[in-house]
Amino acid sequence: DIQMTQSPSSLSASVGDRVTITCRASQAISNYLAWFQQKPGKAPKSLIYAASNLQSGVPSKFSGSGSGTDFTLTISSLQPEDFATYYCQQYNSYPLTFGGGTKVEIK
Amino acid sequence: EVQLVESGGGLVKPGVSLRLSCAASGFTFSSYKMNWVRQAPGKGLEWVSSISSSTTYIYYADSVKGRFTISRDNAKNSLYLQMNSLRAEDTAVYYCVRDLYYDLQASYYFDYWGQGTLVTVSS
Repeated sequence: DIQMTQSPSSLSASVGDRVTITCRASQAISNYLAWFQQKPGKAPKSLIYAASNLQSGVPSKFSGSGSGTDFTLTISSLQPEDFATYYCQQYNSYPLTFGGGTKVEIK
Repeated sequence: EVQLVESGGGLVKPGVSLRLSCAASGFTFSSYKMNWVRQAPGKGLEWVSSISSSTTYIYYADSVKGRFTISRDNAKNSLYLQMNSLRAEDTAVYYCVRDLYYDLQASYYFDYWGQGTLVTVSS
């Protein structure tokens, strides 16, 4: 199975900050990597697929990069509605696996 | 508007069975691969099972293989998860998730999630 490791597991940031979350795969997954945002008590929401492609309707302040084993999600200017938990997921092969999540909190 | 509405969750005792349903609307259900993903209370996301549009391809996580069965009824626009021999560790919110095909890689990714249904397994 491919293990997905996110870092950090949590971070505190201020409105307007640039935030970067890292996701590392235990083996190469090309760019079969997605990112999701989840707010408390809500279902996850798709942000990015194929490592760097923005899901329809997602604001351009979100961006993704990477290929192989190392990936990043960047939020260019953090806004109050962006405080949430973010998950990466590989879909290169079954079983599909998620990272452990990164909780972005208000400083 | 794409809608995925799960139902069938509840409080059950270990060892019993439960069947979850997901009613889909707002898109041509029969054309889409579908999935179940679960989330234990306060924990991360765990993929459970996937089924192709025509049921040709079915996959399960090792943690549920042999106990859970995914199925679909394209005429009823519905996805199901039959869960047998339930254990305390199956306690979670179960999400119905649509897979969207994209040409760039001739692959699929999770694009829409239902709101989930809570399954609690406890004596």
